[in-house]
Amino acid sequence: NAGVTQTPKFRVLKTGQSMTLLCAQDMNHEYMYWYRQDPGMGLRLIHYSVGEGTTAKGEVPDGYNVSRLKKQNFLLGLESAAPSQTSVYFCASILSVGSEAFFGQGTRLTVV
Amino acid sequence: SQKIEQNSEALNIQEGKTATLTCNYTNYSPAYLQWYRQDPGRGPVFLLLIRENEKEKRKERLKVTFDTTLKQSLFHITASQPADSATYLCALEYTGGFKTIFGAGTRLFVKA
Repeated sequence: NAGVTQTPKFRVLKTGQSMTLLCAQDMNHEYMYWYRQDPGMGLRLIHYSVGEGTTAKGEVPDGYNVSRLKKQNFLLGLESAAPSQTSVYFCASILSVGSEAFFGQGTRLTVV
Repeated sequence: SQKIEQNSEALNIQEGKTATLTCNYTNYSPAYLQWYRQDPGRGPVFLLLIRENEKEKRKERLKVTFDTTLKQSLFHITASQPADSATYLCALEYTGGFKTIFGAGTRLFVKA
């Protein structure tokens, strides 16, 4: 039982490049989330999904897109990376509202 | 918009003492309030959840209180140990919502 797995763990992008971060969970959770964490800012919600085929915007969605084609996977895309997107990205999943969140180990992204 | 305030200054305490961390929020009270632990380079890990109709919750050396009048939660670690050194995050979730809002966290250092 792996829990929540994020790939890749580290990535360096040049400004304007695109990439996709993958989040996979094996707990059959309905709800999945993408957060970014910056020093002093805490975790900020980018996008989330309440079930397969659904996505919704969070607090800081600009510059990101997401897809949830399969229940176990939640993909975060950066179409044209900018230095302001340098951050640590965390994926999380929960079974139901009010239950504990399970987090991945994070992806450290640097945009130069 | 809802705001969560956690002490941005690190808390330094001596081993064996009780550590008390504070989480304050604005506006309306959440249905659930959670506390997470985060170690450097890792994702947050769930510790405790308390509901709006609960005053106190305990788990081993951990205790959480929830005061909806003061709009505050206190997180206590009794008989603290150096291994308790980490960042502790407060998180709120609201009835009818699917989003968890995180505070920026408080760094705890326990000295031997």
